[in-house]
Amino acid sequence: AQTVTQSQPEMSVQEAETVTLSCTYDTSENNYYLFWYKQPPSRQMILVIRQEAYKQQNATENRFSVNFQKAAKSFSLKISDSQLGDTAMYFCASLLNDYKLSFGAGTTVTVRA
Amino acid sequence: DAGVIQSPRHEVTEMGQEVTLRCKPISGHDYLFWYRQTMMRGLELLIYFNNNVPIDDSGMPEDRFSAKMPNASFSTLKIQPSEPRDSAVYFCASSMGGGHGYTFGSGTRLTVV
Repeated sequence: AQTVTQSQPEMSVQEAETVTLSCTYDTSENNYYLFWYKQPPSRQMILVIRQEAYKQQNATENRFSVNFQKAAKSFSLKISDSQLGDTAMYFCASLLNDYKLSFGAGTTVTVRA
Repeated sequence: DAGVIQSPRHEVTEMGQEVTLRCKPISGHDYLFWYRQTMMRGLELLIYFNNNVPIDDSGMPEDRFSAKMPNASFSTLKIQPSEPRDSAVYFCASSMGGGHGYTFGSGTRLTVV
């Protein structure tokens, strides 16, 4: 079974500042995919960023970037220049060859004005 | 594309009643997933289909739950009879497979009283 661990239940950040969310996962497979999803109060699940395990280069999407450490099985998300609209729950997820997306417990991020 | 469409958005029903949740995936996506989200258990995969065929239903909690996909553009999740502990947000998601990640619908909030 896949295990995705998010050890930070809640994070708070000042607007325009940077926040980093941690995620670790467990797998014996060599090829897999990792994702961060955002769930705002509207409850819509929104794909933020995607990383292919066989690519060493860290993925970036505008203000969102990841630090992918394959050996350590770590996949952290950095939100730069935080905006009020970034307030949401963020889920880390892994996708192995069985096509099943496994989610962590989530981290609630609150951006303060 | 209108994305993954779920209906209804909210459903309130009495214990013992039958509940049917509906989903229209994105055209061209071969995979369809049903997830349940609760505070206690987070996001759980219930069942997924590939080309309309159920592949893994190991997450379906009990025989009271059933899911069908009669064609590529429609799926249902049925609970009969419903119980208060079934109260949750139910998400449908679709994917092209591979490492593309999932696109989620807006979810159905089910309340069983």
